[in-house]
Amino acid sequence: NAGVTQTPKFRILKIGQSMTLQCAQDMNHNYMYWYRQDPGMGLKLIYYSVGAGITDKGEVPNGYNVSRSTTEYFPLRLELAAPSQTSVYFCASSWTGWTDILKGNTIYFGEGSWLTVV
Amino acid sequence: QKEVEQNSGPLSVPEGAIASLNCTYSDRVSQSFFWYRQYSGKSPELIMSIYSNGDKEDGRFTAQLNKASQYVSLLIRDSQPSDSATYLCAVNMEKDDKIIFGKGTRLHILP
Repeated sequence: NAGVTQTPKFRILKIGQSMTLQCAQDMNHNYMYWYRQDPGMGLKLIYYSVGAGITDKGEVPNGYNVSRSTTEYFPLRLELAAPSQTSVYFCASSWTGWTDILKGNTIYFGEGSWLTVV
Repeated sequence: QKEVEQNSGPLSVPEGAIASLNCTYSDRVSQSFFWYRQYSGKSPELIMSIYSNGDKEDGRFTAQLNKASQYVSLLIRDSQPSDSATYLCAVNMEKDDKIIFGKGTRLHILP
């Protein structure tokens, strides 16, 4: 059971380039999330998904796109990378939404992807 | 007003003492509250969750919630150097079943 796997762990992009951050989970979780964390800051929700075929915007979706064609995968696409997208990106998954986290469910985070745009 | 506020610290506490971390939130209807610990360069890990007013204890950790005053706190008793980390407060905004994270408080336990 690998949990939540993110790739790549580190990446340097040039301004205007595009790339996809991969995220996979093998726990059959319905909910998946993408967060970004800027230095000294908390986590900001970019996009989330409550199941295959369903995605929704979070707090900071501009400049990103996602897809959820299967339960296991939730890739995050960066189009036309900008220096403001330099950050650490965390993918996460859970059985249910946050309201049910208190009932013993928990959210699992990947190890993070460090992205620098120069 | 920001939705979830924390003092960024660093908060320095002697080993063996009680560390007290505070968080305030703006959404009065928030019902669920979480404390995450994050070591440098690592992903966050859940250490406490609380939804009822009062105290909830788990080992050396106690979460305290006061909905009337809109704050939630985390107490760490008998602080250890391994407790040195950033502690993130997160609040569930039930209107859309997402959570909002604070910026985190850096805690440094002095040996």
